Amino acid sequence: NAGVTQTPKFRVLKTGQSMTLLCAQDMNHEYMYWYRQDPGMGLRLIHYSVGEGTTAKGEVPDGYNVSRLKKQNFLLGLESAAPSQTSVYFCASSWAVSYNEQFFGPGTRLTVL
Amino acid sequence: AQKVTQAQTEISVVEKEDVTLDCVYETRDTTYYLFWYKQPPSGELVFLIRRNSFDEQNEISGRYSWNFQKSTSSFNFTITASQVVDSAVYFCALSVPGYNFNKFYFGSGTKLNVKP
Repeated sequence: NAGVTQTPKFRVLKTGQSMTLLCAQDMNHEYMYWYRQDPGMGLRLIHYSVGEGTTAKGEVPDGYNVSRLKKQNFLLGLESAAPSQTSVYFCASSWAVSYNEQFFGPGTRLTVL
Repeated sequence: AQKVTQAQTEISVVEKEDVTLDCVYETRDTTYYLFWYKQPPSGELVFLIRRNSFDEQNEISGRYSWNFQKSTSSFNFTITASQVVDSAVYFCALSVPGYNFNKFYFGSGTKLNVKP
């Protein structure tokens, strides 16, 4: 099993450009999440999904959109990138109960110039 | 409200020293779960341990041990005889049931530097 994979691993954008980050999991997990990690701030939840076709906002959703058309995929979109969105982005997935750990992807390092 | 505090931003030790990483959590729920994750320099987050609020037994796994104390709302992580490979950022997290998804509250992380 590949677990949770993320594409791409690195990306540099100019302000105003758009892009989509792809997350895929092969563990048949119901829940999926997008986090951003910034120095000294831990991980902050951007959006999450509790199942195919559903999405919801997390703590820091502004400037991002998501879609989950298939259970195994969770896409994070930036429509008009800003320098404040320079960060490392992590996707995670889990079973649908709170005692289960979240499984994380390797991360995507995004720089917005 | 739920919150996790890792007051130690960065710790440096010399190899073979013991080191304890502190984690203090806040919640009014009686049922909750605590986690530790390791983030090595390569970047991925690796799950280390899960504890539920009804099980205060300490746990040992090799050189790693965890001390869960509800009285002080702490879930501390000790590495015995540290090694260079232990150098990483360690995150403590809290999960509380009752939401419609598996929400994690992460601490800000503690960076551990183990010098040879």
